[in-house]
Formats: sequence, C-alpha cells, structure tokens
Amino acid sequence: QVQLVESGGGVVQPGRSLRLSCAASGFTFSRSAMHYVRQAPGRRLEWVAVIWSDGSKKYYADSVKGRFTISRDNSKNTLYLQMDSLRAEDTAVYYCARKNPEGAFDIWGQGTMVTVSS
Amino acid sequence: DIVMTQSPDSLAVSLGERATINCKSSQSVLYSPNNKNYLAWYQHKPGQPPKLLIYWASTRESGVPDRFSGSGSETDFTLTISSLQAEDVAVYYCQQYYSNSITFGQGTRLEIK
Repeated sequence: QVQLVESGGGVVQPGRSLRLSCAASGFTFSRSAMHYVRQAPGRRLEWVAVIWSDGSKKYYADSVKGRFTISRDNSKNTLYLQMDSLRAEDTAVYYCARKNPEGAFDIWGQGTMVTVSS
Repeated sequence: DIVMTQSPDSLAVSLGERATINCKSSQSVLYSPNNKNYLAWYQHKPGQPPKLLIYWASTRESGVPDRFSGSGSETDFTLTISSLQAEDVAVYYCQQYYSNSITFGQGTRLEIK
C-alpha cells in the first residue's frame, strides 16, 4: 500500500549528527517532490526542507539552513535528512511527506522522534 | 516568510453542531495565472501524522467526509465542519504552499462541549 516509513531518530548530544531515512512504497517515488516537517513539543508544525523529484532543487527553512541536508536515492525509493550541528531546539518529531501534484502534502510518514540533549 | 494566523486557538462545539476555524495569511496566496489559492487544511490527532483534508482552499481530498469544507480567497480562509462528530476531535492546521518557504498556522484545538 501507499506508505512512507521513517527511521533514524533517537537521542543525540548537542553538536552531533544524525541521519533520518524515509522509505517510500506504493507510489512512483521518483516523480514526487518530498518534504520534511517537524513538530517540537507543544509547538506548531514547522516545515524543514523540500527536494524536487529529480533532486535538482532543494530549499530549507532558515532555522536549519547550513546544518541540515535533504537528499534522495530514487533507485532505493528513499529520502534522507542529514542533520549536523544539532541543537536542543531541533528536538522534535520529524515527518517526511509527499507533495501531491496540487502542491499539498497528501502522504505522511509516521514520524520519528529526535531528542537533542546532553 | 508568509505568516499564517488561525483563530480561535481552541474551540469547543457540541456534537452535531457546526465548527468554524479561520486562517489569515500575511500576504495573498492566490496565484493569478491559474486562479488557485495555495492553501491547505490538515487534521492532526495525537500519535498520528497530520492528515490532508482540503487543498487549493476548497477542494476536498479523496476520502474526506463531506461535512468538511473549505472556503476563502487571497488572505482569508475558513474550514467548516458542518456537523461535529466525536472522531473530529483534533488540532487543525492551515498551511500555505504558495512560496517555497512553506508555513503553517499555529493550530486550532477542537474539542467536544
């Protein structure tokens, strides 16, 4: 069935790195732009990054620019988020999501928790 | 960035009654070449990912009950639940996808009165 399965979350110390993965199935991953969205405890949903279907364009929220890198491997139907120089304020549930042809996010992963703490 | 502001922050409605949530954007999200408003609504329940309800401000996603409807244009939008059901208890978010820097409203918590 159509789904996104996330992995890679965990507890990490400030300044360290973590890589999230999002495995897609049930749809043509290589034709879909993909996003990451996060939600810190008690906060609103915050868009993090987007990557075009062919990987040619990437955009980031100012809060993560220069520290996070979104990438994809269309041969493996997998999306990645490399998170470097992590800060306490990066603590959140991270979701991957597919952008539908109309631009909205119609398929979401189950979310993976990232906790940045010493 | 486009700032999205929802009202109210929380709302309590009786079962079977109408619930209305408003969303205002700091600039227009109407794309003139196709006359589409790049505005979506999501339902978010604890422990689950957000669920797309409405896109292009008023188009219901496949499988979403017809008690959910969206309206509005340019900077002012509304999500209406015509007859509240128990399973509609959730936080609702509006989202603009007009710009490459996507933004969400702060959320509206909907409860049963």
